[in-house]
Amino acid sequence: DAKTTQPNSMESNEEEPVHLPCNHSTISGTDYIHWYRQLPSQGPEYVIHGLTSNVNNRMASLAIAEDRKSSTLILHRATLRDAAVYYCILRFGGSNYKLTFGKGTLLTVNP
Amino acid sequence: DTEVTQTPKHLVMGMTNKKSLKCEQHMGHRAMYWYKQKAKKPPELMFVYSYEKLSINESVPSRFSPECPNSSLLNLHLHALQPEDSALYLCASSQVKGPVGSPLHFGNGTRLTVT
Repeated sequence: DAKTTQPNSMESNEEEPVHLPCNHSTISGTDYIHWYRQLPSQGPEYVIHGLTSNVNNRMASLAIAEDRKSSTLILHRATLRDAAVYYCILRFGGSNYKLTFGKGTLLTVNP
Repeated sequence: DTEVTQTPKHLVMGMTNKKSLKCEQHMGHRAMYWYKQKAKKPPELMFVYSYEKLSINESVPSRFSPECPNSSLLNLHLHALQPEDSALYLCASSQVKGPVGSPLHFGNGTRLTVT
């Protein structure tokens, strides 16, 4: 599986935007970029995914670099409920099965 | 609340016990997964079932035995576990032939302690 690199931790303030970076320099053409998050004492939760174009949904935005070697998850206005571990995952487009988690980024949101 | 229900939420078992973890979903998903998560670590894939057939086994020891009796249920049978098997066990489900990148839906897990 292609690897991703994320900062171990980040801190933000409530109601401010948060940009969570992810490097994936060995990404292949068929890899989709997925983001999941895991709130304390809960299972992981799907956030967003994309292939080449930037993507928006009700939870977040995903900005993908033109060369696809990096991406950024954007939370437009962080809330206390957004405090979680955020995982950036490359998922092979040819399979709906394997989802391999990396170490993730622990996001702390300050009131 | 999650659409994937796992029972029990907590389980304590001795090394000679036999127990089972249960997972249920009613979203019509035909792929179901078991993950294991140790404290402060990411989830690790254990098994994947597709259309009730075992599709992926990530070299999991035989003391863990999965079962998928129907399209809504997934069990994990536990026997002769070791204390290092203590972890959070997560179940997930997804479409098989949905859009590429069909997301996984996770339950909140069973926290297992082996004494």
